[in-house]
Amino acid sequence: QLQLQESGPGLVKPSETLSLTCTVSGGSISSGNYYWGWIRQPPGKGLEWIGSIYYSGSTYYNPSLKSRVTISVDTSKNQFSLKLTSVTAADTAVFYCARVSGIWTGFFDYWGQGTLVTVSS
Amino acid sequence: QSVLTQPPSVSGAPGQRVTISCTGSSSNIGAGYDVHWYQHLPGTAPKLLIYDNINRPSGVPDRFSGSKSGTSASLAITGLQAEDEADYYCQSYDNSLSWGVFGGGTKLTVL
Repeated sequence: QLQLQESGPGLVKPSETLSLTCTVSGGSISSGNYYWGWIRQPPGKGLEWIGSIYYSGSTYYNPSLKSRVTISVDTSKNQFSLKLTSVTAADTAVFYCARVSGIWTGFFDYWGQGTLVTVSS
Repeated sequence: QSVLTQPPSVSGAPGQRVTISCTGSSSNIGAGYDVHWYQHLPGTAPKLLIYDNINRPSGVPDRFSGSKSGTSASLAITGLQAEDEADYYCQSYDNSLSWGVFGGGTKLTVL
């Protein structure tokens, strides 16, 4: 059974960089049939797709966040990571990593449990 | 404000049937892009319920069904159970935004 687990600091200061890692177990991130993505949910709000990556390193970013987002992959560790720069309180959210099935704009069939990141001084 | 509009809330009694709509436009659902549905209980990982408009992943009860017509899609839940109380989100692609989008979410209350 495929499992994804987010990890990283739960508190980030304004203007700093948020960094999260997603560790995939029970399957290979290099399988080639899937993309891997990050989604966030601010408190009391809906879901927002941040971006996705293929094992080869090809990335796709939400145009509204593109200038601040970097997603990378480490196939040797079966992990992919998110960096979001210049964060503000508006970036406070539960961040989920997930597997994208189909095409890069496909559906998320496996999700991590999510991790709350609070932006505050 | 999402380009996919869902009702903020719906409710139904146990055993009843409820539907949740996802209304889009000619740049997303109406353009032929697939719609997917998720169930989300707060504090847990969202769960894929319906993919590619009508398909259920293995393990999802057939009480859940999806449909799509024109610029809208719907999720129907029959034989409503207390455990169905959750938030439900639709997802599709929007070619004017050049990005995937989620609906605003619908909170289902089982009376």
